[in-house]
Amino acid sequence: NAGVTQTPKFRILKIGQSMTLQCTQDMNHNYMYWYRQDPGMGLKLIYYSVGAGITDKGEVPNGYNVSRSTTEDFPLRLELAAPSQTSVYFCASRRDGETEAFFGQGTRLTVV
Amino acid sequence: GDSVTQMEGPVTLSEEAFLTINCTYTATGYPSLFWYVQYPGEGLQLLLKATKADDKGSNKGFEATYRKETTSFHLEKGSVQVSDSAVYFCALLYGNNRLAFGKGNQVVVIP
Repeated sequence: NAGVTQTPKFRILKIGQSMTLQCTQDMNHNYMYWYRQDPGMGLKLIYYSVGAGITDKGEVPNGYNVSRSTTEDFPLRLELAAPSQTSVYFCASRRDGETEAFFGQGTRLTVV
Repeated sequence: GDSVTQMEGPVTLSEEAFLTINCTYTATGYPSLFWYVQYPGEGLQLLLKATKADDKGSNKGFEATYRKETTSFHLEKGSVQVSDSAVYFCALLYGNNRLAFGKGNQVVVIP
């Protein structure tokens, strides 16, 4: 039972580069979320999705894009990496009608 | 929007001491409330939850009661262990689809 899987675990990017953070879940959950975690700041919601084909902005969406072509996958795209995007990124999922969210192990991204 | 506020700063205490972490919330409706725990190098895990006023969530010796009158959901444990060292996040689910988290509190338990 894999749960929520994020790849890669670590990545160093140069300013202006692009990359995609992968997130997949095998629990058939409708809801999926992307958060960033900065020291002392808790978790900030970047984007979320209530089902395949539907995405919506969270608190801090600038500089990011998402897609949800399948129930399982919810990739997060950084088009032009900036130092301000250095953070730990967490993906989470939740089943409709239930309240518990399940988190991946996180991706530590450094932009230099 | 709906939000949660946690007490400032890390918490350092000795083994077997009593732990309290304060959490208050702001919400237009009646959100579900949660405490999540994050151990070093890992993602967040649900510790306990409460879905309506006066509910008490409990797990692994931790407890929190949903207090509508004071809009609070404080986390308590009567006797902490070194293995309880982690970061604790208060959270709420609002609008049926958004999860909002507090800033988290680092708890360090000294043997």
